[in-house]
Amino acid sequence: GEDVEQSLFLSVREGDSSVINCTYTDSSSTYLYWYKQEPGAGLQLLTYIFSNMDMKQDQRLTVLLNKKDKHLSLRIADTQTGDSAIYFCAEIGGGYQKVTFGTGTKLQVIP
Amino acid sequence: DAGVIQSPRHEVTEMGQEVTLRCKPISGHNSLFWYRQTMMRGLELLIYFNNNVPIDDSGMPEDRFSAKMPNASFSTLKIQPSEPRDSAVYFCASSPGGTKGSYEQYFGPGTRLTVT
Repeated sequence: GEDVEQSLFLSVREGDSSVINCTYTDSSSTYLYWYKQEPGAGLQLLTYIFSNMDMKQDQRLTVLLNKKDKHLSLRIADTQTGDSAIYFCAEIGGGYQKVTFGTGTKLQVIP
Repeated sequence: DAGVIQSPRHEVTEMGQEVTLRCKPISGHNSLFWYRQTMMRGLELLIYFNNNVPIDDSGMPEDRFSAKMPNASFSTLKIQPSEPRDSAVYFCASSPGGTKGSYEQYFGPGTRLTVT
C-alpha cells in the first residue's frame, strides 16, 4: 500500500528557516498536504499542493514538490517559537478520499 | 461554523466497559473519518464514511470496535468491551470531498480515552 515517510525530529533556532522533508510512494497521488498539530489539539491543515505543481508559497510557508523523486518539503521562513509542533505530510490518490499520513516530524524551535 | 465537534473530550473507564465516542462533522461535508493516535503507532485511520456509507473499515482493530453514521450530522465510534490497549486519542475529521476540489480534512479536538 501507500507509504509516507518523514524524519521524526527537527530542531532549529528562532529566526532560522526550517525545512521538513517527506517522501511518498504512491505515484498516483493527486494532492499532497502539510498538517500541523499543536499539543493537545487535532491536526490543522497548513497548506496543500496539487500534483501538477512544483512549488507553492503562502506567506512564510513554501512547499516544494519533486514528483519524479516523490519528495515533498515544507520550508518555514523566520521560524518562531509558535511554530513548535508536529508536522504531518499526507497524500491522497485514487478514486476515494483516503488520505495517507506520514509519521509526523516534531519541530522544536529554540529561543 | 463551529468546526468538527467531538464529545467527550476526556473519558476514563474501566476495562470491560462500553465506550461511545461522538462526532458532529462540519455542515455540508460529505465525508467523515475516525482516527486513533498513540505514541507507538502514530495516526491510524480506523474507518471512513462517504455520504453516510462506510467505505473502508479495514483499519478497525477488531470486532470490539464499531462505527455508525445514522445521518449527515452525527457519527459514533463504540468500543465494547474496552481494554487498556485501547487507550489513545481518537480524532474525528470531516471533508467537503471534491466539492472544493482539494479533499482537505478538518479535524476535531479529539477524545482522550484512558482505559484502566
